[in-house]
Amino acid sequence: ETGVTQTPRHLVMGMTNKKSLKCEQHLGHNAMYWYKQSAKKPLELMFVYNFKEQTENNSVPSRFSPECPNSSHLFLHLHTLQPEDSALYLCASSQGGSGADTQYFGPGTRLTVL
Amino acid sequence: EDQVTQSPEALRLQEGESSSLNCSYTVSGLRGLFWYRQDPGKGPEFLFTLYSAGEEKEKERLKATLTKKESFLHITAPKPEDSATYLCAVQASQGAQKLVFGQGTRLTINP
Repeated sequence: ETGVTQTPRHLVMGMTNKKSLKCEQHLGHNAMYWYKQSAKKPLELMFVYNFKEQTENNSVPSRFSPECPNSSHLFLHLHTLQPEDSALYLCASSQGGSGADTQYFGPGTRLTVL
Repeated sequence: EDQVTQSPEALRLQEGESSSLNCSYTVSGLRGLFWYRQDPGKGPEFLFTLYSAGEEKEKERLKATLTKKESFLHITAPKPEDSATYLCAVQASQGAQKLVFGQGTRLTINP
């Protein structure tokens, strides 16, 4: 595996379900991110992790719960979601640091909430 | 507040017909401006990073340029496989690693 991988690629869940999205990066990076991409809207940053520590939460509802056990893995735990949470969820990673920091994206998980 | 506006929203060209996409931005100190390409149902694919006004970068039929207020992505003699949505994003000097994205330009190249 190379780059940034995400599983599952597609997920359908009911509003009362609990599910998790997984992201793994094989680039040796120190920072990982979750983004949400809804139709007709720009990509929205959700969470940032640096060296496993959460450094940014972009006012995301508590029904989204991130977890970063190490610098290579990132999870997004989902519970009691709403239909408006249906979107493409993208994971990204970057080297981290003080300069311009290129982020590399995974293929995304297409989430549908019924 | 940092903002990115891309135009046009959609562009349809004939194969070989060159054109440019625009990305206008306002940011409190620019750390970097990024261009990505996104195919339907896939994640954004990195194209270029530009750091300062006057900088240019090229890759195959694509050339990105940067001024203090906007960036252009020039597409020369495009082919149908260049059809995609092109995303522009900025990273501010303040605000750590946050990227602020525009809405993208959906480019279609007809054979």
